[in-house]
Amino acid sequence: TQLLEQSPQFLSIQEGENLTVYCNSSSVFSSLQWYRQEPGEGPVLLVTVVTGGEVKKLKRLTFQFGDARKDSSLHITAAQPGDTGLYLCAGAWSGWGKLQFGAGTQVVVTP
Amino acid sequence: GAVVSQHPSRVICKSGTSVKIECRSLDFQATTMFWYRQFPKQSLMLMATSNEGSKATYEQGVEKDKFLINHASLTLSTLTVTSAHPEDSSFYICSARVTGTSVGETQYFGPGTRLLVL
Repeated sequence: TQLLEQSPQFLSIQEGENLTVYCNSSSVFSSLQWYRQEPGEGPVLLVTVVTGGEVKKLKRLTFQFGDARKDSSLHITAAQPGDTGLYLCAGAWSGWGKLQFGAGTQVVVTP
Repeated sequence: GAVVSQHPSRVICKSGTSVKIECRSLDFQATTMFWYRQFPKQSLMLMATSNEGSKATYEQGVEKDKFLINHASLTLSTLTVTSAHPEDSSFYICSARVTGTSVGETQYFGPGTRLLVL
C-alpha cells in the first residue's frame, strides 16, 4: 500500500506548457520534500515544505503544502526540456528520520 | 546544499562475489544515513537505516546477512552485498540525514551505484 499517492504517473507536454503534479496522503507529515531525478543519478532536493498552507517558489516551480499537511503539489510554469525528469515527493514524520516516497511522476518536455 | 558521494558509480561482478559500496557525506556529519534500492522506472525503496556507532535497522523483507551495513564514522557508511546474484542487480542509492536546519530535517542523496551481477 502506497502511503503517498502521486499523480499522474506520466506527463508528456510541449515546451512552454504548464503542468501540475500532485502528492496525496491520509497521513499528516511534519515536512514534505520534492526531488527531481535524472536517469542514472540520485535524486536532487528541490524544496522542503514544513508549514500547512505554505507556498514556495523556485524560479518557474511553485510548491504548495496543504493546510492539513497531508498533500502537496508541484506546478511548473512554461516548462522547458531541462525540466524533464522523474519528480518524487517524500513525506517525513518528525524525529523518525525515514522518508515515505511517492511512486514518482515521469515528466517529459519536448521542444 | 549538502554533498553526498558514492563509490563506485558502477560495478560489474561475478555471481557469488561480494561488493562494497561507500557513501560519504563530504561537507557535514551525518549520524544517520539511509540505503535505498531502485528498479527501472520505479521509485526508491528503503532498504535500511544506518546509524553511526550502532547496528543498522533493516526494512521488512531485506536480508540483513546479505546486505551488510557499517556506519563506522560520522561521514561514512558502507553497504556490502554478499554473495551477489543476478537478482541483486539494481541501482543502489544512499542518503544522509540533515537535522537542525530552518526546515527541520531533510535528506540529501548520493549519485547512486549501478550494480550488475553476471
